[in-house]
Amino acid sequence: DTEVTQTPKHLVMGMTNKKSLKCEQHMGHRAMYWYKQKAKKPPELMFVYSYEKLSINESVPSRFSPECPNSSLLNLHLHALQPEDSALYLCASSQGGGLWEQYFGPGTRLTVT
Amino acid sequence: QKEVEQNSGPLSVPEGAIASLNCTYSDRGSQSFFWYRQYSGKSPELIMSIYSNGDKEDGRFTAQLNKASQYVSLLIRDSQPSDSATYLCPLYKGNSGAGSYQLTFGKGTKLSVIP
Repeated sequence: DTEVTQTPKHLVMGMTNKKSLKCEQHMGHRAMYWYKQKAKKPPELMFVYSYEKLSINESVPSRFSPECPNSSLLNLHLHALQPEDSALYLCASSQGGGLWEQYFGPGTRLTVT
Repeated sequence: QKEVEQNSGPLSVPEGAIASLNCTYSDRGSQSFFWYRQYSGKSPELIMSIYSNGDKEDGRFTAQLNKASQYVSLLIRDSQPSDSATYLCPLYKGNSGAGSYQLTFGKGTKLSVIP
């Protein structure tokens, strides 16, 4: 089973709202990732968590705040977003320990109004 | 120089033909290579991984790797309309110390299989 789940599937939020995206995997993977994908562009890495610790932050604005409560869960907290932040947000996981294939969740389609 | 370059699309092939997708890398350090398929509006799906020089076959898909030339290709035999998608070959960068691995994606190649 290589399933990564993400909720919600769609999210519409105003620029003053606070919302959270959730990602979950039960494959025992030890690395989890957030990507952002704009229309007709490739995914861009935002954050990497390894063994529940933030290991990579690709200079993402502070209005995006990641959290890894445990090895199976990954959250992305959103606050004071801009319309240009509207995109597909993808979560992925990989086993680590020398196994590098990343498996993506279905994504959350975010619209900021 | 871009880290990952893919042959420019869109690529159109008739149903039943062989589709050939190519990818070159500027980073000689990568030891792992992947192909992802992404349907419009969907998330990327891993279809092949290849670590050694040569060919790797999985059903109608064959990945070919030449590390010296920093080149990887994907052949799709007997192409079907359902293969119409964007194909991505990200550059893998590992951080063994942190136990994390990141993928840097190129623009991808859009494949259209014409019935």
